[in-house]
Amino acid sequence: EVQLLESGGGLVQPGGSLRLSCAASGFTFSSYAMSWVRLSPGKGLEWVSAISGDGDSTYYADSVKGRFTISRDNSKNTLYLQMNSLRAEDTAVYSCATWIQLWGRFDYWGQGTLVTVSS
Amino acid sequence: DIQMTQSPSSLSASVGDRVTITCRASQSISTYLNWYQQKPGKAPKFLIYAASSLQSGVPSRFSGSGSGTDFTLTISSLQPEDFATYYCQQSYSTPYTFGQGTKLEIK
Repeated sequence: EVQLLESGGGLVQPGGSLRLSCAASGFTFSSYAMSWVRLSPGKGLEWVSAISGDGDSTYYADSVKGRFTISRDNSKNTLYLQMNSLRAEDTAVYSCATWIQLWGRFDYWGQGTLVTVSS
Repeated sequence: DIQMTQSPSSLSASVGDRVTITCRASQSISTYLNWYQQKPGKAPKFLIYAASSLQSGVPSRFSGSGSGTDFTLTISSLQPEDFATYYCQQSYSTPYTFGQGTKLEIK
């Protein structure tokens, strides 16, 4: 059974940083591209970032480019999202998901971790 | 960016009803359209890809159709477990974008 478990969310002040993790199990992690998607009351679902299975290719939404960095450790079956220069509008539940690049779809999702950016 | 617009934003229906949710893209996306279901506090569930292909394990009462700019998700006979929020997503070009969601509630 595919399982994706996010962690690392919390309350952070504007301008601060957080690192999210996504622990994967139940599938061959290195064979799958992965993505982060966030859900906020104001903006709904928003694709944030994606990374290829080998980690060589990364993709970002314009809203986070230059501030967020996606990475993965295939030896630990873990996906990461380093978030810097956080803004109030980054407040959301962040979920990781398997990303089928050919069809651009997200097959399996985690429940998410809440990030709140507030002073 | 391609904008995705769903209608209605919310919908009240009864068990056994047939319901249809519409998703419109701001430009043609061929059939690069996916549908997801999300229940409160749960991970989103992937339902349909390529506009009309059912993901393995998804009940056959779910169906999708459309191409170009107009798409529909139909649930032929609502079951209690179907009350949730549904999202469409275009995968024609990055950044991938989602509709704002349709909340399906029990009447």
